[in-house]
Amino acid sequence: NAGVTQTPKFQVLKTGQSMTLQCAQDMNHNSMYWYRQDPGMGLRLIYYSASEGTTDKGEVPNGYNVSRLNKREFSLRLESAAPSQTSVYFCASRGRPWGTYNSPLHFGNGTRLTVT
Amino acid sequence: KNEVEQSPQNLTAQEGEFITINCSYSVGISALHWLQQHPGGGIVSLFMLSSGKKKHGRLIATINIQEKHSSLHITASHPRDSAVYICAVRPTNSGGSNYKLTFGKGTLLTVNP
Repeated sequence: NAGVTQTPKFQVLKTGQSMTLQCAQDMNHNSMYWYRQDPGMGLRLIYYSASEGTTDKGEVPNGYNVSRLNKREFSLRLESAAPSQTSVYFCASRGRPWGTYNSPLHFGNGTRLTVT
Repeated sequence: KNEVEQSPQNLTAQEGEFITINCSYSVGISALHWLQQHPGGGIVSLFMLSSGKKKHGRLIATINIQEKHSSLHITASHPRDSAVYICAVRPTNSGGSNYKLTFGKGTLLTVNP
């Protein structure tokens, strides 16, 4: 039971290059999230997927696209990377046991992205 | 202005000391989360609470909904507790399918042997 798996762990891109960050969870969770973490700031939501087949923008979606490929996988794509996208990216998932309103998030180990 | 404020920003302690990290928030919430992030590592959920107190091993989390304040306590601290501790809240007005959390900036705890 791996939990939430993110790849790659590290990536260096040149400005204008594209890449896709992969995320998969094996906990049968409906909801999945992409966050970025920058020094001196709290985690900020980029995009989320409340269930398979749906995606929505979070606080900072500009420059990103997402795909909820199936229930397990939620990918984040940078079409034309910019230095402002240098950050640590975290994928998370959340289940919602029947009868509960709140439940904890399960995070991946992060992807450290540098755009030069 | 961040809706979630943590204090202190940095905390250095000696092994064995009792640690308290504070989290204050400005909005009504349905849940508060405490997370742990080791240097260069992933993020782990420690507690989720909406009232009262929870305990797991040497960690204790309390919340006072009226005062909009939560504390994370670590008893008998150990160098392996060194990490960033993050508080996050779910505002009650964040309805719908987005489980929107507002995160604090984190408290960096260093426990020296």
